[in-house]
Amino acid sequence: AQSVTQPDIHITVSEGASLELRCNYSYGATPYLFWYVQSPGQGLQLLLKYFSGDTLVQGIKGFEAEFKRSQSSFNLRKPSVHWSDAAEYFCAGAPQTGANNLFFGTGTRLTVIP
Amino acid sequence: NAGVTQTPKFRILKIGQSMTLQCAQDMNHNYMYWYRQDPGMGLKLIYYSVGAGITDKGEVPNGYNVSRSTTEDFPLRLELAAPSQTSVYFCASSRGPAAEQYFGPGTRLTVT
Repeated sequence: AQSVTQPDIHITVSEGASLELRCNYSYGATPYLFWYVQSPGQGLQLLLKYFSGDTLVQGIKGFEAEFKRSQSSFNLRKPSVHWSDAAEYFCAGAPQTGANNLFFGTGTRLTVIP
Repeated sequence: NAGVTQTPKFRILKIGQSMTLQCAQDMNHNYMYWYRQDPGMGLKLIYYSVGAGITDKGEVPNGYNVSRSTTEDFPLRLELAAPSQTSVYFCASSRGPAAEQYFGPGTRLTVT
């Protein structure tokens, strides 16, 4: 089935350390891919998106993601994490044709320790 | 430009009661969605709409109903509330089927 998976339920990093959150997809062709962030008690906010072209995508808040077709991955990265990055992160995707909605992964909760 | 708005923010229902969760968007988006979010389960699609007058079921539609009489509004109706419907409900909209979705702030519903 076409889907998006996030293998890590919870990740803890120290403030100032680098971060990588994993996302794998299982669409046959190159899909549209998104990363969203959800702060406690809030709705989801778009961090970045990939449709085509340059496989390294820059987003808001210093985040970036790299589309790797060979690994069916779209991992989210940040070189130096801030305490305010503590949140839940969702990867989402959809095929470029025939979709009516996005499919969301189950999310990765990020804890940042001082 | 308010984006996607949802009311109420919180609600407690007794088993068997009914209610409507309101959702409105001012971005002239054709596509609108209702999700529920349970801890550790991510987002589950309840219903979606591709335009005024057109709705379709998502992954978990049982116990819910929707209507879409205008482009702006997409209310979600709960009939005969059950404890299993305790959740956080999010409404979203997008300009197309695989485009980025814009989310409302959510409604936290408790059924006791």
